[in-house]
Amino acid sequence: GAGVSQSPRYKVAKRGQDVALRCDPISGHVSLFWYQQALGQGPEFLTYFQNEAQLDKSGLPSDRFFAERPEGSVSTLKIQRTQQEDSAVYLCASSLVLAGGREQFFGPGTRLTVL
Amino acid sequence: GESVGLHLPTLSVQEGDNSIINCAYSNSASDYFIWYKQESGKGPQFIIDIRSNMDKRQGQRVTVLLNKTVKHLSLQIAATQPGDSAVYFCAEKAGGGNKLTFGTGTQLKVEL
Repeated sequence: GAGVSQSPRYKVAKRGQDVALRCDPISGHVSLFWYQQALGQGPEFLTYFQNEAQLDKSGLPSDRFFAERPEGSVSTLKIQRTQQEDSAVYLCASSLVLAGGREQFFGPGTRLTVL
Repeated sequence: GESVGLHLPTLSVQEGDNSIINCAYSNSASDYFIWYKQESGKGPQFIIDIRSNMDKRQGQRVTVLLNKTVKHLSLQIAATQPGDSAVYFCAEKAGGGNKLTFGTGTQLKVEL
């Protein structure tokens, strides 16, 4: 099926390394979201795109986190100089409507482990 | 601060029984409340939502109840099946905003 896909599914990084996480949203979906999910917790909002425009980045925890969606489709979440506290599952979600809507379709996530 | 939280971290039910998962919220400005199901190793899956001006909405085997007086949300699953075993999250969408704010989740275990 043509759901949201994310790659890699698992990533192990040494502290201080840079990582890049990819999200392929459902074709035609205007809105794209990134969430961070710590073990045993609910997802927490990181950032939101409407097409290629990043309209809300209020959830990014530090300036080490950067997200882009240059052509309004695929998005990349980049974490520079990773720290152990960055270990989490990073979820991408997309939605058809401009306002995001309450029905966001989630990908399987990328589990990041920082050693 | 504003938050969405759950009363019970784990709920065990017998197959065929009805399940009730509860959630408390504090943001009166939310316009939608949503329930998601998350299975191990997967992303959250939309189950059902309810608009803030409603108090009940039914889907297939699921019912969501909203009590704005006490800021309480519940998900009822009828005739619970083994495939319903998962973590359930309530989430809210504030008016005019795009992000979802999730609670911490309830683990539902269905016993045969």
